Amino acid sequence: GDSVTQMEGPVTLSEEAFLTINCTYTATGYPSLFWYVQYPGEGLQLLLKATKADDKGSNKGFEATYRKETTSFHLEKGSVQVSDSAVYFCALLGDYGGSQGNLIFGKGTKLSVKP
Amino acid sequence: DTGVSQDPRHKITKRGQNVTFRCDPISEHNRLYWYRQTLGQGPEFLTYFQNEAQLEKSRLLSDRFSAERPKGSFSTLEIQRTEQGDSAMYLCASSFNSEPTLNYGYTFGSGTRLTVV
Repeated sequence: GDSVTQMEGPVTLSEEAFLTINCTYTATGYPSLFWYVQYPGEGLQLLLKATKADDKGSNKGFEATYRKETTSFHLEKGSVQVSDSAVYFCALLGDYGGSQGNLIFGKGTKLSVKP
Repeated sequence: DTGVSQDPRHKITKRGQNVTFRCDPISEHNRLYWYRQTLGQGPEFLTYFQNEAQLEKSRLLSDRFSAERPKGSFSTLEIQRTEQGDSAMYLCASSFNSEPTLNYGYTFGSGTRLTVV
């Protein structure tokens, strides 16, 4: 079945460092890909998305490019801030034609940014 | 609209008791989803509704779990005879789509944290 694998955390960075969180997926068809973020004590928030190959999702300085050839959707940010400390989840939504897809999540990567 | 609301935020119950959670989705959203998230894991799909119809249930949803969305608006998730393994965060999400392929992602609530002692 469909699945998402993301790099294990925790990831600890200094402020203004470059961030990469790797995400690869296995899916039939052409899934949509998402990154969600969960701040402490809060629910999941959609960070960015891409719905087809070579699409780049971006938001709040974060970017991820849908790479079908490598089945990847790595999250990047050029300069992290303390306020970016959170858990980041990669997710996919299968394209099942007339059927229904459900969001399938990776296990999450905890990011801690130190001042 | 205030987003997806879940109630209660926290619930502590004794093993064997029944619990019920409520989710109020974004009003114009026709789909409502329940997920479970255990510590250190990503959310796992439990079930979803399109309007009042429950269209899919995960094998994670044992017979002790039941979900309803009677009028196509709010939903309840009941767990009967709770077990310690039921301790988790229960997340509700909603979305709107009229296409086979969903492009908009879901809007999640803040969750209900259940602790079974």
